[in-house]
Parts: sequence; C-alpha cells; structure tokens
Amino acid sequence: NAGVTQTPKFRILKIGQSMTLQCTQDMNHNYMYWYRQDPGMGLKLIYYSVGAGITDKGEVPNGYNVSRSTTEDFPLRLELAAPSQTSVYFCASSGGLIGPQHFGDGTRLSIL
Amino acid sequence: AQKVTQAQTEISVVEKEDVTLDCVYETRDTTYYLFWYKQPPSGELVFLIRRNSFDEQNEISGRYSWNFQKSTSSFNFTITASQVVDSAVYFCALSALSGAGSYQLTFGKGTKLSVIP
Repeated sequence: NAGVTQTPKFRILKIGQSMTLQCTQDMNHNYMYWYRQDPGMGLKLIYYSVGAGITDKGEVPNGYNVSRSTTEDFPLRLELAAPSQTSVYFCASSGGLIGPQHFGDGTRLSIL
Repeated sequence: AQKVTQAQTEISVVEKEDVTLDCVYETRDTTYYLFWYKQPPSGELVFLIRRNSFDEQNEISGRYSWNFQKSTSSFNFTITASQVVDSAVYFCALSALSGAGSYQLTFGKGTKLSVIP
C-alpha cells in the first residue's frame, strides 16, 4: 500500500550544491509529475512524464532536470541549487491522462 | 491559458457550522476537468473529487457537497456540520489541454480552513 514514495523528507543544501529527489510509485501508473509548493501558494508543475523514456516541461522547469528510465521511478535533479528553489516538492502519479493524481508526502528542501 | 482563483485565503468557522469554499476557473477549452484536493496539517495532498465539464450535476458525499456551474465558471465546495478534522488547506484545480497538447493540472492558491471547537 505504499503508493507514491518520496525521499528524502527533509534536506538542507548549500548554494551551488546538487542533489536528486527520488520518487517511486508502485501503482504501475504511466503518468508522473513533479510540483513545487511555495508558502501560501498552490502547486506549480515542474516536469511531467507520460511514460518511461518520455518527459516534458511544465510551468517552472528552469533549474531542474528529470529522467524516466522505468515506469516506477521519476527522479528530479537540481544541478546548481539556488535560494529560489527553497520549497516543498511533491511527486505525483496518475493512471490516466485526466485521472486523479496520487501524491507523495513531499520533500521539504531549504537552500542556504 | 488556464487559471484557478480561490478568493478566500483563510476561513474560520465554529464546529458544526456549514462552510462553502469558492473556486472560479478560466479556460478556453470546452473539455476540462475540475478537482478538489485537501492538504491537512501533516502536509500530504488528498484527492477529494473530480468533475468533467459535461457533467453539471451536483455531488454529495457524506458531509461534503460540490456545486458546479458552467454559467459562472464556478466549482464550489461545501462542508456541512464542520468538524475539527476538516481543518486543512483546500485546493481547487483545473485540468485542460495545455499549449503542448497535454492535460496539465493548474492549482488555485488554496483556502485555509480552520474549524474551532
């Protein structure tokens, strides 16, 4: 009953460091998404994937990269962390194009 | 472009009161989908309902009900006899075809509901 699992739950980075946020789902969903949630704001789409090997940009892709080598995994990479990337990051998956999205518990990332 | 407006930033009600959360959306598409999600203090996002643009029937699920009106581009959410466990941030979201030819979910900024015992 894991659903969507994100690791780590919390992380503090220094400016210029890089890291990968991990996301795994066990529901065999084709569609996966990365969002960021800034304080007092809704979620904004960073990247999404419609299946293994296929990814595309969302509303706020700058400073991030993704890959989708398997159906289960959709990691998000920050290459050169900047203070503006301090946020809570959510990964989600859905079984269909307009199906309800199932979210992970989020990763709280602070860049100092 | 799609847009979702939740004009109420924060609402406080006393337990057992009814409360309505407003959601107004904008899209040029004739086919679209509307969602409500709940984000309790623990932080996870919980799916509540999906409604497509061709189905204007109101829906009731226990103490929750949704009123979809295309004429006013609104998809309001009512909680009857509110409980402390309803305290959360509620997000309205719209899924419509983006310029890239795929459906993308656009979220409102959320309404924080506090139910006071």
